[in-house]
Amino acid sequence: NAGVTQTPKFQVLKTGQSMTLQCAQDMNHEYMSWYRQDPGMGLRLIHYSVGAGITDQGEVPNGYNVSRSTTEDFPLRLLSAAPSQTSVYFCASSPLNYGTGELFFGEGSRLTVL
Amino acid sequence: TQLLEQSPQFLSIQEGENLTVYCNSSSVFSSLQWYRQEPGEGPVLLVTVVTGGEVKKLKRLTFQFGDARKDSSLHITAAQPGDTGLYLCAGLNYGGSQGNLIFGKGTKLSVKP
Repeated sequence: NAGVTQTPKFQVLKTGQSMTLQCAQDMNHEYMSWYRQDPGMGLRLIHYSVGAGITDQGEVPNGYNVSRSTTEDFPLRLLSAAPSQTSVYFCASSPLNYGTGELFFGEGSRLTVL
Repeated sequence: TQLLEQSPQFLSIQEGENLTVYCNSSSVFSSLQWYRQEPGEGPVLLVTVVTGGEVKKLKRLTFQFGDARKDSSLHITAAQPGDTGLYLCAGLNYGGSQGNLIFGKGTKLSVKP
């Protein structure tokens, strides 16, 4: 079972470059989200979506764009990368649930911005 | 701003020892989850507790949700090297969806053979 698939797993960018982190899930989950994980900061929510065509901002949305054209895919775009965006990025999905909210995570994408 | 504080931040123990990690908040949550994250991988859900005072067991792991629904603990009996990882708690607000999930910063556990 594929679950949540993130690509690429590793990426090095120069300041000012743009790139897209891809996320795909095959579980027909309505909810998808992007987190970043930094040492000592825990997991911080960047953007999330409760269904195709619907996105919303999380705790740290600045510098990132998202779109949700299909249920399966939720790409995260960095338009002009900055060193502060060096981090490990996790995509997570879940059935939309207003009771328990369990998340299924991808394996992560490690981004370094020089 | 709601916060979930986890303690200790780091824990290094020998195989066979028992340990408890804590997740505390001043806020009330409708449910609380525990995840384990191994190096280089994403977090994986261990358990969800939804009732105040609830105790759940998963083999050598025992999870408890506080009566007031503001705190939780994870107790591991006879720890093994395979238990090594980052343990994260996450709380969900009443009426909230996954976008309202609040994560603690985690407890990094190292179990030495």
